[in-house]
Amino acid sequence: NAGVMQNPRHLVRRRGQEARLRCSPMKGHSHVYWYRQLPEEGLKFMVYLQKENIIDESGMPKERFSAEFPKEGPSILRIQQVVRGDSAAYFCASSPPSGREQYFGPGTRLTVT
Amino acid sequence: GIQVEQSPPDLILQEGANSTLRCNFSDSVNNLQWFHQNPWGQLINLFYIPSGTKQNGRLSATTVATERYSLLYISSSQTTDSGVYFCAVERIGGSRLTFGEGTQLTVNP
Repeated sequence: NAGVMQNPRHLVRRRGQEARLRCSPMKGHSHVYWYRQLPEEGLKFMVYLQKENIIDESGMPKERFSAEFPKEGPSILRIQQVVRGDSAAYFCASSPPSGREQYFGPGTRLTVT
Repeated sequence: GIQVEQSPPDLILQEGANSTLRCNFSDSVNNLQWFHQNPWGQLINLFYIPSGTKQNGRLSATTVATERYSLLYISSSQTTDSGVYFCAVERIGGSRLTFGEGTQLTVNP
C-alpha cells in the first residue's frame, strides 16, 4: 500500500507566478489535510478537505491560497501570485474515514525567487 | 486554541545514551502523534498514542491523557536518531493537528 504521494518534491517559482501542489492520499483514505512549515519553524495547519468538500479552512491565508479535493484525482493546493514569504515546505496528510491517525507525505519544498 | 509545549528545545547526546522528550498540552485530546523529521526534511510517523504506552524497538512512548502530557523515550541512541522530534495533538471536537515547536536532537558518534 503506497503512502501519501506529493508532487512535485521541489518547485521553484518567480514572484507573481502560480504554484500548484498535488497530493494523492493513501488508498482508502478520504480525508486530506495540508500543513505548512516555514523555515526553522514547526508545522501549521492550513486546510482540511474531504472529497468535494472543504471542511475547515481556518488556517488558510485569506488571499491567493485555495485548495480542492475533487471526486476524481489528487488534492490540489494552489497559490496565486506567489511572494517570497510563501517559500516553505508544504506537507499533505491523509486519514481513513474511521480513524484519526494522520499519515504524512514527503512534502513539496517551494522556493520563490 | 490548544497549546503544545515540548521540552527540551535542544538536546545533545553521545551515541549509546538514553533520553526522554516531553510534550505538555493544554486541553483534552483524542489524537496525539509523535514524529521524527530527519535532516532531509521528511516526517516519519513514530507513534499514534492518544493514551497508554507503546514500544517500537528502541523507542517507546507514554501518554497520560488525564494529566495532559506525553513522553517519548529513546534508548541506546544512534547518530541516525538525529533530527527534530515533534509532538502533535488534536483536541476533542477538532479536526486538525496542532504541532509543538519540536526538540532538536543531535547524537554525536
